[in-house]
Amino acid sequence: DIQLTQSPSFLSASVGDRVTISCRASQDIGRYLVWYQQKPGKAPKLLIYAALNLESGVPSRFSGSGSGTEFTLTINGLQPEDLATYYCQQVDNYPSSFGGGTKVEIK
Amino acid sequence: EVQLLESGGGLVQPGGSLTLSCVVSGFTAKDNYMTWVRQAPGKGLEWVSVIDSGGFTNYADSVKGRFIMSRDNSRNTLYLRINSLRAEDTAVYYCARGRTTLTTYPYLQHWGQGTLVTVSS
Repeated sequence: DIQLTQSPSFLSASVGDRVTISCRASQDIGRYLVWYQQKPGKAPKLLIYAALNLESGVPSRFSGSGSGTEFTLTINGLQPEDLATYYCQQVDNYPSSFGGGTKVEIK
Repeated sequence: EVQLLESGGGLVQPGGSLTLSCVVSGFTAKDNYMTWVRQAPGKGLEWVSVIDSGGFTNYADSVKGRFIMSRDNSRNTLYLRINSLRAEDTAVYYCARGRTTLTTYPYLQHWGQGTLVTVSS
């Protein structure tokens, strides 16, 4: 089974900062990686699919990059409403799996 | 408007069984990949199971043999039968609609609000 390791598990940043979250896969998954945002008490929301494609309606400050085993979610210009936990998911094969999450706090 | 509404959660004793339901609207469940994902209190997301348009199912190793995912096409409803419940099954269970744009296997485009299952004596 494919394991995903996210880092950091927690980060604190100021409004306007550039934030990067990493997701490492235990084997090559091409670009079959997705990113979600989960706000407190809410269901997750799709942000990025196929590693670098922005989901419709998601602000352009969010972007994804990477392929193979190394992936990055970037938030360019952190906003107060970005307070959330971010998860990566691999969809290269079954069983699918999620990373452990990165909680983003606003300073 | 796409909506997914889970129900059936509650307090169950260890060893017991429970069936979760997910009624969908705004699309036809049988034409889509549908997935269950769970989240233990204060923990991360865990992929549980999937069913495709052909009725093929796949399960996480942690639930294989105990969980059964099914679908009632006439009711546009998904089910998750959970048997031999353990304390570690305590979680919010989400159903989600999958999409495969640019991928072979589905990622999760629409989610329900979740239903809480608590396993305790």
